[in-house]
Amino acid sequence: AQKITQTQPGMFVQEKEAVTLDCTYDTSDQSYGLFWYKQPSSGEMIFLIYQGSYDEQNATEGRYSLNFQKARKSANLVISASQLGDSAMYFCAMREGGGNQFYFGTGTSLTVIP
Amino acid sequence: DAGITQSPRYKITETGRQVTLMCHQTWSHSYMFWYRQDLGHGLRLIYYSAAADITDKGEVPDGYVVSRSKTENFPLTLESATRSQTSVYFCASKLTGTNTGELFFGEGSRLTVL
Repeated sequence: AQKITQTQPGMFVQEKEAVTLDCTYDTSDQSYGLFWYKQPSSGEMIFLIYQGSYDEQNATEGRYSLNFQKARKSANLVISASQLGDSAMYFCAMREGGGNQFYFGTGTSLTVIP
Repeated sequence: DAGITQSPRYKITETGRQVTLMCHQTWSHSYMFWYRQDLGHGLRLIYYSAAADITDKGEVPDGYVVSRSKTENFPLTLESATRSQTSVYFCASKLTGTNTGELFFGEGSRLTVL
């Protein structure tokens, strides 16, 4: 079974609108971490936001927030007030327990339309 | 500038040749990783290292060799390149002891095997 599933290969959003990128995960560990990375067309991987499995509050970083629904095993990324510079690939990732292996999803390509 | 430096950024080689991708970090992070990125697969772990002289296989290690004689360097060698190893390769590092423990990535090395 896939550890991380991103079901949206591509998404479009109007500039200044909010957009949600879906991510579901699969683990039997109680302790794990969830991450979102952005990959612009230039290719680098940029860390956006982190959510720990024991964190009771949803993580927020500026215009990024993580909608963490533990029972549903989902960790959706919400980008508010989209900007043209948000156009990129977005990857969801998970690290189980105290391990060092990160599992990545296949990514969602986001295009912001002016 | 501090960070992770990968070289070469672009490489074209022929089937059967040996290729080494270099990775250098200036942060003294303990953990270093090599991932490959392929369309439809996201990022997959090839090898990782917890410290100098300690390396472990990841999800897709076949056909690759790593070494880590110094903390700051983590070269990846394709001993006899195959076309299936055409990919974008990312080196990453991780700082231990932090709450998030996110990966920090290099800019990637695009390898084409003809």
